[in-house]
Amino acid sequence: QLHLVQSGAEVKKPGSSVKVSCKASGGTFINYAISWVRQAPGQGLEWMGGFTPIFKTANYAQSFQGRVIMTADKSTGTAYMELTSLRSDDTAVYYCAGERSGTFDYWGQGTLVTVSP
Amino acid sequence: EIVLTQSPGNVSLSPGERATLSCRASQSVTANNVAWYQQKPGQAPRLLIYAASNRATGIPDRFSGSGSGTDFTLTISRLEPEDFAVFYCQQYGSSPTFGRGTKVEVK
Repeated sequence: QLHLVQSGAEVKKPGSSVKVSCKASGGTFINYAISWVRQAPGQGLEWMGGFTPIFKTANYAQSFQGRVIMTADKSTGTAYMELTSLRSDDTAVYYCAGERSGTFDYWGQGTLVTVSP
Repeated sequence: EIVLTQSPGNVSLSPGERATLSCRASQSVTANNVAWYQQKPGQAPRLLIYAASNRATGIPDRFSGSGSGTDFTLTISRLEPEDFAVFYCQQYGSSPTFGRGTKVEVK
């Protein structure tokens, strides 16, 4: 069973970047893809993209293409999501999720990113 | 992109009652690759159902999923106090998308 622990809350200025980490334990990291899903305050879930550590490949949702970079460090079992050119509507809780065959089986606790002048 | 429309948006029910939640896709979902998640306030979502009708590990049998093509349903046979939450459907037949959720609240 995969246990995912994310980095802490961030406050960023518009136009800057944020990098969120997601450390896995309790399972074999390379057996999973790590997806990132965000949730704006009071809103639903939005898939941003995913990274497959074993193949070192990323697949991004079209709405985030060119603004998001997903990576992973197999040696530490940690995945990263960097979002650039932040805007106020990027304020959200960002979740990492361990994915097998398309479903999000395991979730991190979430990281609140606040974008404010 | 496949758009998922969930209905109703909100429903008020009493413990012990049956809940029936709908998820309609804008086009047929490949291999009925639809999942359902439960989310409680301040918590991450939890996987309930995958491949339209299969319960995830540890999910009670009062939760069941059905459907195919474009129409999918999550049924909670008898609501327990801990079941009240927001439920999301998700398709993974193509680039993943989520519905907007159905909130099941206490009547």
